[in-house]
Amino acid sequence: EPEVTQTPSHQVTQMGQEVILRCVPISNHLYFYWYRQILGQKVEFLVSFYNNEISEKSEIFDDQFSVERPDGSNFTLKIRSTKLEDSAMYFCASNREAGQPQHFGDGTRLSIL
Amino acid sequence: AQKITQTQPGMFVQEKEAVTLDCTYDTSDPSYGLFWYKQPSSGEMIFLIYQGSYDQQNATEGRYSLNFQKARKSANLVISASQLGDSAMYFCAMREGNSGGYNKLIFGAGTRLAVHP
Repeated sequence: EPEVTQTPSHQVTQMGQEVILRCVPISNHLYFYWYRQILGQKVEFLVSFYNNEISEKSEIFDDQFSVERPDGSNFTLKIRSTKLEDSAMYFCASNREAGQPQHFGDGTRLSIL
Repeated sequence: AQKITQTQPGMFVQEKEAVTLDCTYDTSDPSYGLFWYKQPSSGEMIFLIYQGSYDQQNATEGRYSLNFQKARKSANLVISASQLGDSAMYFCAMREGNSGGYNKLIFGAGTRLAVHP
């Protein structure tokens, strides 16, 4: 069964550094998402992406965040100048049609030191 | 106000018994979807079951069923014949609207289920 793939599984970065989290959504999916989950807390929506542009973003997704689909398969989340509070599990998800179940990757655990 | 409320931070059940995990939601949108995800200790998010607001019948997927009570705005997950591998965190989530930008999932706080042998 096709799945969403995220790399790396764990990223450790110094505060203030830039980090890029990578995702390969399911190949025939059209809608892409990033969510984050701070340890012990609920999963929070960050951004949705469709037709090569952001369709919705949360208030968490401020100017330090950006997303990109650089080619036909990858979907990336960039955090420009990381802060301690960016430490979390970041999930990529995708679906083929709006409203259908979103399939999640295994997540990238981001640790900011 | 909370959009998704899961009032049970933790539940336990005996192996082979059934268990119900509660979820209530709040929306004024007539079109919405409700989802349940399982998060094992390894951290991944596994989609379990989906219920659309216009679906006439309760959703079922194997041992999972969704007890959808629209008037009460509840979407409880029922797991029948619990197995040790069902021990995990379970999240209820909602999608409001039916297309375009209204596609984000709003998650509840989760319920941690422990299955005892």
